[in-house]
Amino acid sequence: DAGVIQSPRHEVTEMGQEVTLRCKPISGHNSLFWYRQTMMRGLELLIYFNNNVPIDDSGMPEDRFSAKMPNASFSTLKIQPSEPRDSAVYFCASRRGLAGTGEQFFGPGTRLTVL
Amino acid sequence: GESVGLHLPTLSVQEGDNSIINCAYSNSASDYFIWYKQESGKGPQFIIDIRSNMDKRQGQRVTVLLNKTVKHLSLQIAATQPGDSAVYFCAENTGNQFYFGTGTSLTVIP
Repeated sequence: DAGVIQSPRHEVTEMGQEVTLRCKPISGHNSLFWYRQTMMRGLELLIYFNNNVPIDDSGMPEDRFSAKMPNASFSTLKIQPSEPRDSAVYFCASRRGLAGTGEQFFGPGTRLTVL
Repeated sequence: GESVGLHLPTLSVQEGDNSIINCAYSNSASDYFIWYKQESGKGPQFIIDIRSNMDKRQGQRVTVLLNKTVKHLSLQIAATQPGDSAVYFCAENTGNQFYFGTGTSLTVIP
C-alpha cells in the first residue's frame, strides 16, 4: 500500500487566493482526519470524517476553511481566501474503523506558505 | 479544550543510552493514548499505544508507562540509536478526538 497520499507537497500562494489541498486515504480505512501543524500550536485537529460524513468540524478555524469527502478515496481541504496566518503544514490521516481508538496513519503533509 | 503537555521540550542522549520522554495529560476521562514519532519533513508515525486499563506496554525497544493517578505518560526507548532522533508526541483520546502535545525533540549524540 502506498500509504496516505497528499498533494501538493508544497504550496506557495498570495494572500487572498484560494488554496485546495488533496488527500487520498489508505484503501479500506473508514475514518479520515485533517490536521494543521505549526510551531506555536503543534498539531491541531481541524475536522474528521467517518464513512465520508463529517463528524466534527469544531477545529476548523473559521468559515474560510471547508472540507469535503465526496467518496471513500478522496478528500479536499479548501481555504478561501487564504491569509498569511494560514501558513502551516497540513496533514491528512486515515484510520481503519470508526471507534476512537486505533492507529492513525499520517500522510507526508502539505507545507502551505501564504505570502 | 483538552491540554496535553510535555515536560521537556528538548532531550539529548548518548547513543546506546536509554531515553525517557514524559507527557502530562489533563483529562482523567481519556481512555487511550498514543506515542508518535515525527522525523523532519515527514508526518507523525505511530510508535506504541496503551489503553487506560493498562499501566505498562512494551514494544520493540520501547515501553510506555501510564500513571492515571497523576495523569502522566512516559515513553522509554532502550539503547537509543541515531535513527531515533526526532520529535515525539503523546496524544490522548477523549471520545472520538485525539489531542496532541507540542512535542519533545530528541537528539541522539553519536
